[in-house]
Formats: sequence, C-alpha cells, structure tokens
Amino acid sequence: DARVTQTPRHKVTEMGQEVTMRCQPILGHNTVFWYRQTMMQGLELLAYFRNRAPLDDSGMPKDRFSAEMPDATLATLKIQPSEPRDSAVYFCASGTTTGAIYEQYFGPGTRLTVT
Amino acid sequence: SQKIEQNSEALNIQEGKTATLTCNYTNYSPAYLQWYRQDPGRGPVFLLLIRENEKEKRKERLKVTFDTTLKQSLFHITASQPADSATYLCALDEVRGSSASKIIFGSGTRLSIRP
Repeated sequence: DARVTQTPRHKVTEMGQEVTMRCQPILGHNTVFWYRQTMMQGLELLAYFRNRAPLDDSGMPKDRFSAEMPDATLATLKIQPSEPRDSAVYFCASGTTTGAIYEQYFGPGTRLTVT
Repeated sequence: SQKIEQNSEALNIQEGKTATLTCNYTNYSPAYLQWYRQDPGRGPVFLLLIRENEKEKRKERLKVTFDTTLKQSLFHITASQPADSATYLCALDEVRGSSASKIIFGSGTRLSIRP
C-alpha cells in the first residue's frame, strides 16, 4: 500500500531556528505539493513541483521559506528563521498530473510548534 | 473577492439518514471540484472529483453534484454510519490545460453521525 511519508511527525523549536521538513512522495507520482493547515486559515497551498521543477510557490512567504526537490524521492520544505506564526501542520501530497490536478495523496503531516 | 464557503456549523445526523454538505464559491470559475475527508491528526483523503461539465458523480454511498449556475456543490452520504464522522473539505481549481494549478480548499464541515 503506497503512501506519502513525512518526517519528522512533530517538531518543537525556538524562534529563529531553522526547520527542515522532508517528504517522500509515492513512487511514480510526478507532482508534489506542500500545504500548511491552521485553524484560522485552513489548508493553504504553499508550493508545488511537477517532474521536480517548481511550478508555483506563490503561496509561500519567500523571505523565510524555501522548497526543493533534490531528487524524485525527496521533497524538502525549509523555514529559516522560524517564527511563532509558522506553527501549523505542514502536509505534503503527491499525485500524477499533466495539467489539471486529480487525486492528491496526502502524507500524515508534520506538526510544527515554534516557541 | 474570491471565497469558498462550507457549512460553518458542525452537522449532526442520525445514523441511517442522508448527510448533505454544501460548498459554495464566489468569483471562481472552477474547472473541477474535489471532496476530501479528514480525520483528526491525519491528512486529507481524496473521495470524489467532479468536472465543470458534469452534473453528478457517484461512488458507493457518496454522491456529489456540481451546479455552475448556482456556484455550488453538494456532497451527500446516504445511509450514514458513525464511521462517516469526520471533517469534509471541498477544493476547487481553475486550472485548464497545462496551466499551473491554483487549488483552493474550503475550511471544512465537521460531520458527526450519532448511533
């Protein structure tokens, strides 16, 4: 049963520290998405990649967030420096798309707390 | 401004009845709309997708309708069961062809099915 995996599942860090979240998409999927979910804002698309190339990162604060896909089996989301307002659950999802998005398979999420 | 609205209040339904959830949108022209289920502490799980040229889609006890004139999608669960209790999210995207996606999620409706 293929699944998206994310590490770490939980992260508590102090303001100003660097945070790196990792995602392993389902093998064969060509599109990877990063989302952030909070009670106030709900689920927001931060960035996504198709065939490892970044397609859109307009939902991401550029000054402190960066997303990369160094190879087909790994996507990373980095926050540097982290701030308390970054506290949220970060989800990675993968899917197979050409243009329009179809089913997305979500990982279990990384719960980030910045104190 | 663009908005997606789902039932803001939680929905409590007696087991065996049909649950109907609403997703309304403003100032969008979605190419398709999706429904996801999310359980506490987990990532969303894809349920159904309906395209702009489709009126209705079914999958087992689930039915989705899409009215582009009313700018509304309805999600029905027939013969509801306590195991159907979860938060249900709608998501839409205006992407067509090979353009980059701009998927937007609603804030979700929490559904509780009482025995």
